[in-house]
Amino acid sequence: EVQLVESGGGLVKPGGSLRLSCAASGFIFSGYAMSWVRLAPGKGLEWVSYISSIGGTTYYADSVKGRFTISRDNSKNTLYLQMNSLRAEDTAVYYCARDSAKRSSDYWGQGTLVTVSS
Amino acid sequence: DIQMTQSPSSLSASVGDRVTITCRASQSISTYLNWYQQKPGKAPKLLIYAASSLQSGVPSRFSGSGSGTDFTLTISSLQPEDFATYYCQQSYSTLYTFGQGTKLELK
Repeated sequence: EVQLVESGGGLVKPGGSLRLSCAASGFIFSGYAMSWVRLAPGKGLEWVSYISSIGGTTYYADSVKGRFTISRDNSKNTLYLQMNSLRAEDTAVYYCARDSAKRSSDYWGQGTLVTVSS
Repeated sequence: DIQMTQSPSSLSASVGDRVTITCRASQSISTYLNWYQQKPGKAPKLLIYAASSLQSGVPSRFSGSGSGTDFTLTISSLQPEDFATYYCQQSYSTLYTFGQGTKLELK
């Protein structure tokens, strides 16, 4: 059974940093690209970042470019999102998702809440 | 960036109704269009990929169509569990943008 479990969310002050993790199991992690997507309170889904299966290619939404860094450790079956210079507008539930060969996200984690507030 | 616009933003319907949600892309995206369902407090669920392919395990009352810039998601006969928010997403460009969502509510 495919499982994705996010962790690392919490309350952080504006300008602070946080690192999210997503532990994967039930599939060959190194064979799949992965993404982060967020849902801010009262807003819609926002795609945040993508990383290829071996980590050589990454993409970012304009809203996080230069502040967030996606990475992965295929030996640990874990995806990461390093978030720096956090802003109030980064407050959201962050989901990791597995990207299928059909360019869609076919499995999702349960999400981890990040709150940026003083 | 490719902008995705859904309509309507909200929709009231009854169990058994046929419902259609529209998604328009700001430029042609071929058939690189996905549809997701999200319920409060839950993760999104993939319904349709590549504009018209039904994800495994998704009921056949869900269908998708379209290509280029205009796409639709149709639910042929609404069931109580279908009341949720629906999002389209383009995967044509490297920045996989979502539509703003359509909230489907019980009339």
